[in-house]
Amino acid sequence: DAKTTQPPSMDCAEGRAANLPCNHSTISGNEYVYWYRQIHSQGPQYIIHGLKNNETNEMASLIITEDRKSSTLILPHATLRDTAVYYCIVRVSWGKLQFGAGTQVVVTP
Amino acid sequence: DTGVSQNPRHKITKRGQNVTFRCDPISEHNRLYWYRQTLGQGPEFLTYFQNEAQLEKSRLLSDRFSAERPKGSFSTLEIQRTEQGDSAMYLCASTAIEGTRQNTEAFFGQGTRLTVV
Repeated sequence: DAKTTQPPSMDCAEGRAANLPCNHSTISGNEYVYWYRQIHSQGPQYIIHGLKNNETNEMASLIITEDRKSSTLILPHATLRDTAVYYCIVRVSWGKLQFGAGTQVVVTP
Repeated sequence: DTGVSQNPRHKITKRGQNVTFRCDPISEHNRLYWYRQTLGQGPEFLTYFQNEAQLEKSRLLSDRFSAERPKGSFSTLEIQRTEQGDSAMYLCASTAIEGTRQNTEAFFGQGTRLTVV
């Protein structure tokens, strides 16, 4: 599975959009981009995933560049409850998720 | 169905003791995974099952670790002769694999936090 690179931390003001970048320059054509988040002391929570096209659900939007070497997770209106570690993962193996260190997002009032 | 359930949530044990954790996946999910997470790190893959068959084990899974999923439903993870380095959060996840569909999400439990003293 491809390796991903994320900034270690970022802050976001409550009510503003949070844009979380992820680089995955070695991604293969059949690998999906997945995003999970982990709130303190809880298990990881699925957010969204995509292959080539941009995706949107009730939690977030996923923007994947045309060359698929990077993506951005967008939380449209961040709330204090969005404070968490966000993991970007690319995988072709539908079993094993390989987590990196993720991005610690802190939403401030 | 309330999701993936793990028991106990917390376990404190003395070094050298054996411990066993249980994971109840989402009903009818045929894949079950175990991960370990230490402080400040992302979860690390340990092993996974397809129904009752254990299909892959990480190098992290030493011979003191054993996992079972006897009837393809719940799973147990046992650690024998625990060491302080085994202190971590142990996470279980499940997913449903249907045919060749590979883009399914995994659902995680709340984890079991093990402290070895």
